[in-house]
Amino acid sequence: AQSVAQPEDQVNVAEGNPLTVKCTYSVSGNPYLFWYVQYPNRGLQFLLKYITGDNLVKGSYGFEAEFNKSQTSFHLKKPSALVSDSALYFCAVRDEGSAGSARQLTFGSGTQLTVLP
Amino acid sequence: KAGVTQTPRYLIKTRGQQVTLSCSPISGHRSVSWYQQTPGQGLQFLFEYFSETQRNKGNFPGRFSGRQFSNSRSEMNVSTLELGDSALYLCASSLEALVQGADTQYFGPGTRLTVL
Repeated sequence: AQSVAQPEDQVNVAEGNPLTVKCTYSVSGNPYLFWYVQYPNRGLQFLLKYITGDNLVKGSYGFEAEFNKSQTSFHLKKPSALVSDSALYFCAVRDEGSAGSARQLTFGSGTQLTVLP
Repeated sequence: KAGVTQTPRYLIKTRGQQVTLSCSPISGHRSVSWYQQTPGQGLQFLFEYFSETQRNKGNFPGRFSGRQFSNSRSEMNVSTLELGDSALYLCASSLEALVQGADTQYFGPGTRLTVL
């Protein structure tokens, strides 16, 4: 079965500093990995995804994520945080090798990012 | 293109009632998935519809059902509501069925259901 772990419920960072939101995953085959962001009373907004190829994926709003197969990680990063980045961030995985109902998207528990002015 | 739309945005129901939620996918998207989001359980997959057929189903009781129409719009129904059904219900659409590959799912704003 596939699973995702976001080890930090809360991440605080000062505006202008780099930010990292951590994600590790477990799949039996090759992973498709996604990051979404959720603002209060809103749905999930797609940031970026990794399918194959370059381990560094660039996405929306200056976010990027690094895929590390040996550490089964897909950490979200941004060089300079903005107060407006404050939101709930979700990592998700889908197992490329699975079939049927296992092809659903499995989400982590979410990390609340607060950027302090 | 317009994004995924969900109606209504807010609902208040009482225990034992039933409710129907609606989702209109992004134009051209043929797969619609439904998720339940609660503070305790997080985001949980309910089911996926593609070409008017349920393709995937999560671990939810039979009180939760859905359907998809020929224009790809989808409805979700919950019968005999329980207090624990209070949640944000999110709809997501993608071009192809989840089994096809790594299509991105795009989410709607959700329907906030409160069961009293």
